[in-house]
Amino acid sequence: DAKTTQPPSMDCAEGRAANLPCNHSTISGNEYVYWYRQIHSQGPQYIIHGLKNNETNEMASLIITEDRKSSTLILPHATLRDTAVYYCIVRVKTSYDKVIFGPGTSLSVIP
Amino acid sequence: SAVISQKPSRDICQRGTSLTIQCQVDSQVTMMFWYRQQPGQSLTLIATANQGSEATYESGFVIDKFPISRPNLTFSTLTVSNMSPEDSSIYLCSVAPHSQETQYFGPGTRLLVL
Repeated sequence: DAKTTQPPSMDCAEGRAANLPCNHSTISGNEYVYWYRQIHSQGPQYIIHGLKNNETNEMASLIITEDRKSSTLILPHATLRDTAVYYCIVRVKTSYDKVIFGPGTSLSVIP
Repeated sequence: SAVISQKPSRDICQRGTSLTIQCQVDSQVTMMFWYRQQPGQSLTLIATANQGSEATYESGFVIDKFPISRPNLTFSTLTVSNMSPEDSSIYLCSVAPHSQETQYFGPGTRLLVL
């Protein structure tokens, strides 16, 4: 079973920041938080991951609470192309640890 | 990152037949994973394929129904055997490259069973 819970859907106005929450209260000390997204009819795309510090890349920022029981993915300036299902996943940072998907959050960016 | 291709990209098949899906990666990878995504659902892991050993199947999936081959470090196949309409799904290949811990996904194979 997935180790995370996310809201099933969210809306965001184009140009505004999209903040996608994720709860992972049973996360282990060696597990990272990963985010993927799946645009309709495509394979999932890796976005970002982190352990306990906040992370930022060209796509998004990841904010992890101090107790690591929850996190937020931030898309700073959402565009229509960001409409997708976003998956929050916790896993050990090794190529041998499989990615288990929950239902994710369906983000709709509205013009 | 890794560039992953899958063949076929889509197919329409008759019930009772079998389809073999190919997954090709542009670099050597240790682990390959096969997922199924039924209409309107999230991805479900079918099995993990490590080169040189038998695939490890998740609960609810068996080798007779979904045989997997992993002949080398850049290639794998998944066969959907004795298909029924319930097998209509997107089948995705995923890899975890040696030097990276991030898992990357192929574009998927869209299967419709009539």
